This record gives sequence, structure tokens and C-alpha cells, in this order.
Amino acid sequence: DGGITQSPKYLFRKEGQNVTLSCEQNLNHDAMYWYRQDPGQGLRLIYYSQIVNDFQKGDIAEGYSVSREKKESFPLTVTSAQKNPTAFYLCASSIGGDNEQFFGPGTRLTVL
Amino acid sequence: DAKTTQPNSMESNEEEPVHLPCNHSTISGTDYIHWYRQLPSQGPEYVIHGLTSNVNNRMASLAIAEDRKSSTLILHRATLRDAAVYYCILRTYYSGGGADGLTFGKGTHLIIQP
Repeated sequence: DGGITQSPKYLFRKEGQNVTLSCEQNLNHDAMYWYRQDPGQGLRLIYYSQIVNDFQKGDIAEGYSVSREKKESFPLTVTSAQKNPTAFYLCASSIGGDNEQFFGPGTRLTVL
Repeated sequence: DAKTTQPNSMESNEEEPVHLPCNHSTISGTDYIHWYRQLPSQGPEYVIHGLTSNVNNRMASLAIAEDRKSSTLILHRATLRDAAVYYCILRTYYSGGGADGLTFGKGTHLIIQP
């Protein structure tokens, strides 16, 4: 089955530690995205990539980093510089930048 | 992307039609109107999108006002599985192709009563 997978579903980390969230898709999509969602709020764009080896900052990129070495994978690293990292993180992909986005199930990160 | 305004919540009965409004008075000529919905603890799901004409698909219909300053998502026969947060999003398309990410507001929390 084609789709987007994110792992793990729940993640706990101590304050000050970097953590990397996984996002993999087998839809052969060029574009991939990372969003953050806080309770009762809409999603906010962190980073996006329209093609391998290229990515752009979204609205809230500070404290986050990404890489896009393979078409299928777009991992997100939450660094210790992110002041309030506890949130629900969602990855998405689309055929091109202007097509509908398909979302993964999300990773709920809690920093203790 | 331009801003949209939606009611915080709406309530409807099962098996009845639901009309979810969205105001977007600052919409530009290159903005498409997209709707996504999000079930609890899940990622959003695409519902429908349009530019000027009304659109229908298997999930819903989208009615767009003639001046494009507002639109309505129509669920023809709501079920309990339609209970979700519905987001109305304007998406600017660029002539060279490619667009950046989606800009989500708080959306409308749709409650379906059995």
C-alpha cells in the first residue's frame, strides 16, 4: 500500500537533547512538508522541500533542521535551540508543489 | 496566502446536509480555495478545492460565491464519521509551478449528533 509513514507515534525526550523524527513516503512524490500543531490550533509550516537536495524554511523554522538526500525521506531534527518543542508533528507529501497534500499519522513529541 | 474566516464550531444531525461557510474577502485572482479536514489525533485529509466554478466530488461539494469572497463546503448527508475540524485554505499558485506549504487557521469544529 502506498502512503506516508511517520515514526514513532509517541516520543519522549529530555530537555536539551536533539531528536530526529522520521518521515517516509512511497508515493513517488517530489514535494514533502513538515508541520507543527499545538493543542486547539491549526498547523504551521516548519520546512518544505520541492525536490531532492533542496528545501526551504517555512513560517517557524527556528530550532529545526531537515535534510532531503532521498526522494522518499524527509527527516526533521528538533534541536535544543527550539524553545518549546512539545507538539504534534505532521509530515506531508504531494506530487508537485501545487497539488493536494497527503499527510502522515503524525508524531507526538513530549519534552520533559 | 490570504486569510480566511470560519466559525469556531457547528453542530448538525446525522443524515442531514451540512453547510460549512468560509469568508475570504481578500482573495486574489490566483488563489484557489482548498478544504481539508482533520479527525482527532490524525493528520489532515484533503476534501476538495476550486477556483471559480462550483465543484463536486465523492466527499463533498464546494459552492463558490460569484465575487469569490466566500465559499461553502457542503456535506450532503452527514455521518458520525464526518465529525472533524474542517479547514478552509487559500492557496496561491505561481505561474512557474510550485507553491509553498498550506496555511491553516483554527478551522470549524463540526459536531454530528446521532
